[in-house]
Amino acid sequence: DGGITQSPKYLFRKEGQNVTLSCEQNLNHDAMYWYRQDPGQGLRLIYYSQIVNDFQKGDIAEGYSVSREKKESFPLTVTSAQKNPTAFYLCASNHLDNSGNTIYFGEGSWLTVV
Amino acid sequence: AQTVTQSQPEMSVQEAETVTLSCTYDTSESDYYLFWYKQPPSRQMILVIRQEAYKQQNATENRFSVNFQKAAKSFSLKISDSQLGDAAMYFCAHQNTMDSSYKLIFGSGTRLLVRP
Repeated sequence: DGGITQSPKYLFRKEGQNVTLSCEQNLNHDAMYWYRQDPGQGLRLIYYSQIVNDFQKGDIAEGYSVSREKKESFPLTVTSAQKNPTAFYLCASNHLDNSGNTIYFGEGSWLTVV
Repeated sequence: AQTVTQSQPEMSVQEAETVTLSCTYDTSESDYYLFWYKQPPSRQMILVIRQEAYKQQNATENRFSVNFQKAAKSFSLKISDSQLGDAAMYFCAHQNTMDSSYKLIFGSGTRLLVRP
């Protein structure tokens, strides 16, 4: 089935460690996004990519890094420079059709610092 | 910069009744899309409905409809015949079609409770 797959679903990080969240899509979408969601809040954009080998910072990019080596994949690395990484992370991709533009989301990944 | 405001942190509705969730936005663009997403406890973001700004007709999807007031920059969601499965967080989002990134700007969300 077509969709967006995020892994792992739950991840625990020790202080000072880098961790990488995976996002894979088989929808042949050009654009991919990473959002962060804190409890009781809306989604905030971390990074996005419109084409392979290119990506742009969103509103809260500090402490995060991404890569886009393949169209299907857009992994997010949470670095030790991110001071408050505990949150829910959502990956999304963009489908542009004749009637407009819709963004679809993966099921998300929970990251907890221990 | 675009902003989206949801002024109702929580709303409650009796099963089978109708409820309206409010959303206002600020943008200087004339062409954009507006969305309502549902986020149940599973945290999956589910697209509920989409509205193109250039269309005067309000979008509808079964029991879900919107009241789009472009001049007032208002985009409310009406849920008719509310069901227990409608209980979730609802997020309003704006997308500027002049921005080639097509990124979404979200409101802070409204938690909908459905009373049996």
